[in-house]
Amino acid sequence: DTGVSQDPRHKITKRGQNVTFRCDPISEHNRLYWYRQTLGQGPEFLTYFQNEAQLEKSRLLSDRFSAERPKGSFSTLEIQRTEQGDSAMYLCASSLRVNTEAFFGQGTRLTVV
Amino acid sequence: AQTVTQSQPEMSVQEAETVTLSCTYDTSESDYYLFWYKQPPSRQMILVIRQEAYKQQNATENRFSVNFQKAAKSFSLKISDSQLGDAAMYFCAYRRTQGGSEKLVFGKGTKLTVNP
Repeated sequence: DTGVSQDPRHKITKRGQNVTFRCDPISEHNRLYWYRQTLGQGPEFLTYFQNEAQLEKSRLLSDRFSAERPKGSFSTLEIQRTEQGDSAMYLCASSLRVNTEAFFGQGTRLTVV
Repeated sequence: AQTVTQSQPEMSVQEAETVTLSCTYDTSESDYYLFWYKQPPSRQMILVIRQEAYKQQNATENRFSVNFQKAAKSFSLKISDSQLGDAAMYFCAYRRTQGGSEKLVFGKGTKLTVNP
């Protein structure tokens, strides 16, 4: 399968713990996006990369959140000191270039207990 | 800031019938893209149809078509000959075409149920 891959699919963590999610975009897609989707809401933009450069970050992305995309390939999203409000589906998407279709992964569902 | 509003949290349709999902948006931009995405239960979001604001002609993809009213800032999705596989959450989304930001701005979604 050559679609966007996210790992893990589900994560349960205790409040205060750190978690890291991984996203593997479609090969050769230079743009990679992270979104967060809470229950009953549409996805909300978190951040995006063009190759390895992080070009935009949402105000939703507090200091506890950090994202990287080393070498412009896969990306990681880390949440430090998780809070119950961080419980959500974290979606990754990639696109070949600007103004082309964004393809989404299946997401990582985070539950903070 | 751009906003997208979907006023129908849930809709239902009989198999083989036609249903229209509503979407309105707010922007001061003159050129942008509008999208409808489908999110089946526990599956990834997929693009259904896309409309470029500078194009007056409404986009069509097989059984899916849009009614784009730029002045009214309205972008509805019509699904014809509804099938059981059309059951999903549908999200309307907006994206600028220029100015640096490439983020999608989504509405809250409409849950579509297709009754056999």
